[in-house]
Amino acid sequence: AQSVAQPEDQVNVAEGNPLTVKCTYSVSGNPYLFWYVQYPNRGLQFLLKYITGDNLVKGSYGFEAEFNKSQTSFHLKKPSALVSDSALYFCAVRDPGGMNRDDKIIFGKGTRLHILP
Amino acid sequence: NAGVTQTPKFRILKIGQSMTLQCTQDMNHNYMYWYRQDPGMGLKLIYYSVGAGITDKGEVPNGYNVSRSTTEDFPLRLELAAPSQTSVYFCASSFLGASGGDEQFFGPGTRLTVL
Repeated sequence: AQSVAQPEDQVNVAEGNPLTVKCTYSVSGNPYLFWYVQYPNRGLQFLLKYITGDNLVKGSYGFEAEFNKSQTSFHLKKPSALVSDSALYFCAVRDPGGMNRDDKIIFGKGTRLHILP
Repeated sequence: NAGVTQTPKFRILKIGQSMTLQCTQDMNHNYMYWYRQDPGMGLKLIYYSVGAGITDKGEVPNGYNVSRSTTEDFPLRLELAAPSQTSVYFCASSFLGASGGDEQFFGPGTRLTVL
């Protein structure tokens, strides 16, 4: 069964420093991977996704993520953090190898990112 | 486009009461989903639909029901509210679904408390 793990409940980064939010996954085939962000009292917003192709994916608000098949990871990164990046970040995975109508994705538990001024 | 809209924003229920959470999308998306979000637990899928007239159970369907009579609407029904259903509920939609690599669009959420 597919699964996704975000090993850090919280990440603290000083403004202007690079940030990384970690995500690892387990699927039976080639994964589809997603990152979402949730600001307080809001729904989730899509940031970026990896389906196929270039392992480095660029997304909204200057975020990027690198797909690493050998390490089964899809870490979210940004070269220079902003205070406004403070939010809850979710990694999600879909295993496209399913043969039935079970067309859904699994979300990680989320990582709270604090950017310190 | 309004995107995905949910009503109500907040609701307090007594144990045993019933209610329907409304969800509407105006993007002509085929797929719609209901999630619940509990602190530190991420999102859990309750039910989903791949098109009008078709619904399937997700990870935590007990205590809930859904229907999908139109492409736009996907209401979630709680028949006998229990304290364990205290949560924030999110509706989402996508065009092709996860198998097509499509991202989901989320509504603003409904915060439900059962006392």
